[in-house]
Order: sequence, then structure tokens, then C-alpha cells
Amino acid sequence: DQQVKQNSPSLSVQEGRISILNCDYTNSMFDYFLWYKKYPAEGPTFLISISSIKDKNEDGRFTVFLNKSAKHLSLHIVPSQPGDSAVYFCAASARNSGTASKLTFGTGTRLQVTL
Amino acid sequence: KAGVTQTPRYLIKTRGQQVTLSCSPISGHRSVSWYQQTPGQGLQFLFEYFSETQRNKGNFPGRFSGRQFSNSRSEMNVSTLELGDSALYLCASSLRIMNTEAFFGQGTRLTVV
Repeated sequence: DQQVKQNSPSLSVQEGRISILNCDYTNSMFDYFLWYKKYPAEGPTFLISISSIKDKNEDGRFTVFLNKSAKHLSLHIVPSQPGDSAVYFCAASARNSGTASKLTFGTGTRLQVTL
Repeated sequence: KAGVTQTPRYLIKTRGQQVTLSCSPISGHRSVSWYQQTPGQGLQFLFEYFSETQRNKGNFPGRFSGRQFSNSRSEMNVSTLELGDSALYLCASSLRIMNTEAFFGQGTRLTVV
């Protein structure tokens, strides 16, 4: 049972345009969400996170939006740059359930930013 | 400061063998988590260790085990290897047990033949 879903395995965006990566979750106990970026042959690196008490968090070119009622979050990258080409993983945690340390990951979306 | 170090980077084993993977967390980090990454399943949580104790466990068979030493270094062991165990095994460390912003190592690529 995939509790965190990234339904788009890949996305291609032109340099300078907006990249929107989507993530859906089913477990209502999740209260903290994170995005990780992964280059080939490297481990995932933390990008940005959001708590369930917020609906938006922004860090430079990266903004994460959370819609709790729809159990949906999205990562916006504006403007997209070629160096953003990587696999992006959405992850969720249930911090108040005593299993805060367990991150549940989606299957990833491969973003390709073209010139 | 040095990041999370995993050794070895690549490993080839035969079915039925056992394997031990090592992870050295970032200095000062006391929590170490292990994840398995396969193409179709994404990253799956294996277990987490904090202060030498297993604090959380994912849905993996008992062939997968781990431990943590007093210096926070961790090892993961897989016994009786199966072809399906071929994967990238990632270790993540964080300062506290609340692993909300974990730092990952480069992983160990295990191939079982």
C-alpha cells in the first residue's frame, strides 16, 4: 500500500519556466512533509519541508504548497534551471504518532530541465 | 564537516550469502536510519537506531537486521540473500530521533547474483 504517491514518473520543463511536481498521500496521520532531490550516484539531499499547520513554505526558487483537505502537496520551482534536473522524492512523517523518524517516500519524479 | 559515509559503495554477492553494510553518520548525529531503494518501490524504510537501540522498524523480514555502536556508527546485515535484495541501500543520519531533515549518504549498491 503506497501511502505517498507521485503519479508522474517524469516531467520535462524548459529552462526559465515553472516546474510543478505533485505528491498525494493517504495517511491522515502524516503531519510533516519533505522534498528531497537526488542526483545519480548520490544520496537524496533535503530541499524543503512543510508542517501540516501551514499551507505554504518558500525558500528561494522553491515553494511547497500543502492542501490538507485534498491530501495533496506540490513543489514549485521557479525559474527552472538545468541544474535542477534530478529525481525528486516527496516524503511524509507522522511526528505525533511516535514514529516521527520513519519517513515514507514516494516513488520519485524525474525532472528534466531543457535548454 | 564530513557527511554521511557508507561503505562499501558497490557489492556483488551470491544468493544465500550474507552481507554487512556500514554507515558512519555526521559527527554529533546520534540517529541513523536505513532505507532500501528499488526502481519500482522508491525508498522503503528499514529501521532506525538511536543511542544504540532500534527505535523504529519497517516491514522487512527478519533477514534484515542492524545495530549501532557507541560512536553512533551503524551496520546493517542481510542474511540468506535473495535476488530481490538487489538494491541501493541508503543510510541517513540526523541529530535527534525526530528524523525530519535527514542527511543521506551516497548509498551502497548491492547486486545479488
